[in-house]
Amino acid sequence: DQQVKQNSPSLSVQEGRISILNCDYTNSMFDYFLWYKKYPAEGPTFLISISSIKDKNEDGRFTVFLNKSAKHLSLHIVPSQPGDSAVYFCAARSSNNNDMRFGAGTRLTVKP
Amino acid sequence: GAGVSQSPRYKVAKRGQDVALRCDPISGHVSLFWYQQALGQGPEFLTYFQNEAQLDKSGLPSDRFFAERPEGSVSTLKIQRTQQEDSAVYLCASSLVGQGLTEAFFGQGTRLTVV
Repeated sequence: DQQVKQNSPSLSVQEGRISILNCDYTNSMFDYFLWYKKYPAEGPTFLISISSIKDKNEDGRFTVFLNKSAKHLSLHIVPSQPGDSAVYFCAARSSNNNDMRFGAGTRLTVKP
Repeated sequence: GAGVSQSPRYKVAKRGQDVALRCDPISGHVSLFWYQQALGQGPEFLTYFQNEAQLDKSGLPSDRFFAERPEGSVSTLKIQRTQQEDSAVYLCASSLVGQGLTEAFFGQGTRLTVV
């Protein structure tokens, strides 16, 4: 069962503009959410996270927003840079069992 | 090294052959995860260890898959009688636990190709 969903397989934006990547989840037990970035032939690299007690977390150009009632989170990248081009995975964890589930990923392409 | 280390990086196995994939987590990390990532897909959960205890193996696709972490550090994922559908990248990740939820750190993965 797909407990974490990223419905957009790809996204293309212009350099300097905002990139918005979306993620939905179904399991209400999830209480910690993460975004990972992956380049080809490498393992996923942690980018940013948010606890369910917050609705926003910001780290430089990256901001994650959480809407618990909608079971939805998003990653905003502003301004987008060509080096941001990668596959972005949304992941969710539950403190109940420390499991972690991933979405299918969104391939972001930032055009110069 | 300081990161999660997986070996081998690449493995080609003949159908029916047994394989063993190794993961060295970050020192001191209690939690260890195995994931299977098919081409163009996100990582799919296989199994989870807390120290040496395998707390969740619900993602293992068949009884041909077996994972162990006998001393709570290095883990091995074994696949018996490999099939072509087992071809994927196998990712290992480790994280701290007991200090609140934290991010998990991934190795580079082992790409298994079954021919």
